[in-house]
Amino acid sequence: GAVVSQHPSWVICKSGTSVKIECRSLDFQATTMFWYRQFPKQSLMLMATSNEGSKATYEQGVEKDKFLINHASLTLSTLTVTSAHPEDSSFYICSATGGTNTGELFFGEGSRLTVL
Amino acid sequence: AQRVTQPEKLLSVFKGAPVELKCNYSYSGSPELFWYVQYSRQRLQLLLRHISRESIKGFTADLNKGETSFHLKKPFAQEEDSAMYYCALHNSGNTPLVFGKGTRLSVIA
Repeated sequence: GAVVSQHPSWVICKSGTSVKIECRSLDFQATTMFWYRQFPKQSLMLMATSNEGSKATYEQGVEKDKFLINHASLTLSTLTVTSAHPEDSSFYICSATGGTNTGELFFGEGSRLTVL
Repeated sequence: AQRVTQPEKLLSVFKGAPVELKCNYSYSGSPELFWYVQYSRQRLQLLLRHISRESIKGFTADLNKGETSFHLKKPFAQEEDSAMYYCALHNSGNTPLVFGKGTRLSVIA
């Protein structure tokens, strides 16, 4: 199946700094990627849909100025958590459809953010 | 609105016992339903989808449109089945999956 890779897998930062998380599709082109947030032992919450070459579509309640998404190429989407605070600490997961419209998603390994 | 409900947060069964993870959905059209699994320290991965009608790792799931359910079943649970299971619904095209809250399956030896 399609491979999605995230980097970094774990990042610790100080409160007030910004952190960038990269999501790459390794063997396919992803015009659309999805960013999810997962709290400990809870479900995935869709944050935004990242569209190559255009603005991301954010879900209700997600601050677009706080979580900047850039999808500049067909294989890379980035999520930048700006002015991070401890409540932003979470597991962030990206996914892509693998170039099909079947609904199946391929997930990255996730990035754990800890804000001190 | 689309919604996926997994009523059980945690399900514990003994090894060799049957297991059923419940999933109900609300959607007005004809949805595509999926089960995803997340083993400890691994990424989410697709377990099975209703359109393929196949059995994966001994698991099956039948879409019941009358009851709007897509329960996941396995006749004999194994310890390696312990994981987090998510039921998900897909609308159409390039729209994102809608996930249930997940059920943690714990198979006790």
